[in-house]
Amino acid sequence: DVKVTQSSRYLVKRTGEKVFLECVQDMDHENMFWYRQDPGLGLRLIYFSYDVKMKEKGDIPEGYSVSREKKERFSLILESASTNQTSMYLCASSLLASGNYNEQFFGPGTRLTVL
Amino acid sequence: AQSVAQPEDQVNVAEGNPLTVKCTYSVSGNPYLFWYVQYPNRGLQFLLKYITGDNLVKGSYGFEAEFNKSQTSFHLKKPSALVSDSALYFCAVRDITDKLIFGTGTRLQVFP
Repeated sequence: DVKVTQSSRYLVKRTGEKVFLECVQDMDHENMFWYRQDPGLGLRLIYFSYDVKMKEKGDIPEGYSVSREKKERFSLILESASTNQTSMYLCASSLLASGNYNEQFFGPGTRLTVL
Repeated sequence: AQSVAQPEDQVNVAEGNPLTVKCTYSVSGNPYLFWYVQYPNRGLQFLLKYITGDNLVKGSYGFEAEFNKSQTSFHLKKPSALVSDSALYFCAVRDITDKLIFGTGTRLQVFP
């Protein structure tokens, strides 16, 4: 079974702090994604990566950055946390599409509260 | 632009009754459609997908979904609901850059 793990289930930070959310997958997937989930808005894509050291902006990248130094690890960075970044953050991974589209596998999520 | 809509915020059904969770989509080209489920305090779990072929797709936990091209719908169904099916359900469509676009989610409540 694919396993996607996230470093924390719950996190509380203060406004202005730099926040790191870590995601690791163990199935050698090329693609990795970061989403935030808010009630009534569904999942919105922040950043994604198709390969090591490669990143692409999603729909809501402002205030975030990412790092992918190794294939299995994809980090989301909040450079200066703000209260409007309080949310559930979900990491996902998938195989690179090749004539078919492969489903994404999700981690358990990190509920971040910024005070 | 690709999009997906889930018109119901919540669906209530009695245990043992059939359930339907609705999803409509808008895409250019062939649609690649997905259903995911999220149990409380958990990440999303993949249920099923439609890529091509039969319009009725079978997935995990006894769920199935019917693809209807003329109505641009991909409704999730189960013949007999269980209390344990109570969860948040998301429909998603792949866009032209291979990203998934998710609906806003439908909360399914199954009453004993």
